[in-house]
Amino acid sequence: NAGVTQTPKFQVLKTGQSMTLQCAQDMNHNSMYWYRQDPGMGLRLIYYSASEGTTDKGEVPNGYNVSRLNKREFSLRLESAAPSQTSVYFCASRLWDTEAFFGQGTRLTVV
Amino acid sequence: GEDVEQSLFLSVREGDSSVINCTYTDSSSTYLYWYKQEPGAGLQLLTYIFSNMDMKQDQRLTVLLNKKDKHLSLRIADTQTGDSAIYFCAESRDDKIIFGKGTRLHILP
Repeated sequence: NAGVTQTPKFQVLKTGQSMTLQCAQDMNHNSMYWYRQDPGMGLRLIYYSASEGTTDKGEVPNGYNVSRLNKREFSLRLESAAPSQTSVYFCASRLWDTEAFFGQGTRLTVV
Repeated sequence: GEDVEQSLFLSVREGDSSVINCTYTDSSSTYLYWYKQEPGAGLQLLTYIFSNMDMKQDQRLTVLLNKKDKHLSLRIADTQTGDSAIYFCAESRDDKIIFGKGTRLHILP
């Protein structure tokens, strides 16, 4: 039982490049989330998906897009990376309003 | 306000109790959580409390909930060096989980 798996673990991008962060969960959870963590800022919600087929903006959605590909997978796309998007990105999932399980994070640096 | 608030730092001597406080925003939140993050790692659920409870105890951890004041606290008894981490308070609000900025717990020898 792998839980929540994020790929890649590390990435360096040049300004203007695009990339997709992948997230998959094997716990049959309906809700999935993308957060970013910056020093002193805690975790800020980028986008979430309460169920397969729905996505909603969180607190800081600008510059990102998401796709809930199926119940297991929820990807985060940066179309044109900016240095302000340098951060650690966490994916999480949960069953309705129970506790969330987190992936190990993707450390992204945009230069 | 809209934010989950918690103090950013706490220093405690090894063996003493640590108390981390949090205020949340939505009186209709169903679950309130405490997560622990060790350096370079993801977040792990430490404990949680359902909104119809006042207290929950789990070994060295005690969670107190004051719904009237929207105040949540986490007490760690007999604090050990392994408890050094960032502790996040979070509330389940609508379909979202909203986190505080985290309290960094530092253990003094």
